[in-house]
Amino acid sequence: AQSVTQPDIHITVSEGASLELRCNYSYGATPYLFWYVQSPGQGLQLLLKYFSGDTLVQGIKGFEAEFKRSQSSFNLRKPSVHWSDAAEYFCAVGPFGNEKLTFGTGTRLTIIP
Amino acid sequence: GAGVSQSPSNKVTEKGKDVELRCDPISGHTALYWYRQSLGQGLEFLIYFQGNSAPDKSGLPSDRFSAERTGGSVSTLTIQRTQQEDSAVYLCASSFERVGAEAFFGQGTRLTVV
Repeated sequence: AQSVTQPDIHITVSEGASLELRCNYSYGATPYLFWYVQSPGQGLQLLLKYFSGDTLVQGIKGFEAEFKRSQSSFNLRKPSVHWSDAAEYFCAVGPFGNEKLTFGTGTRLTIIP
Repeated sequence: GAGVSQSPSNKVTEKGKDVELRCDPISGHTALYWYRQSLGQGLEFLIYFQGNSAPDKSGLPSDRFSAERTGGSVSTLTIQRTQQEDSAVYLCASSFERVGAEAFFGQGTRLTVV
């Protein structure tokens, strides 16, 4: 069965600092991997996705993620965070795309001035 | 509208009552998904509608949960005889039916069973 682990429940970083959110997955075949962001009172918004090809994917809002098959990881990074990045971030894995996505439990990001 | 619309945004119901949650997908999107987000949990897949195919109901937690999609557009998620453990945010998403198509999520319905 597929699963996603986000080991960090809550992360606090200073504005302007770099960010890395961890995601590890378990899946028996080539996974489709996603990062979503959920701001307070909002629905989920897709940041980026990996299906195949280049293992470093670029997303919206200056985010990027790197797929490392050997480590079963898909960590999300941003070189310099902004106060508006404060939100909850979810990593997800799916067999073909969007259907039956398995989500991690999320990482809440707090930004301090 | 431009996005996925869900109604109501909030619903408080008494234990044992039935509730209906509505989802209006983005026009032209033939794939529709329901997920449940419980406090401190990730999102849990419930059901998936794909065009005219039979829905994938494998994520529905019990036979108290059902969903339908009329005319390939609006979907209704029904929970019968609600229990306190049903309290959660129910999220709907829609997308085009092709690999790699982005799923767009609604803002969800927060259900509280008292």
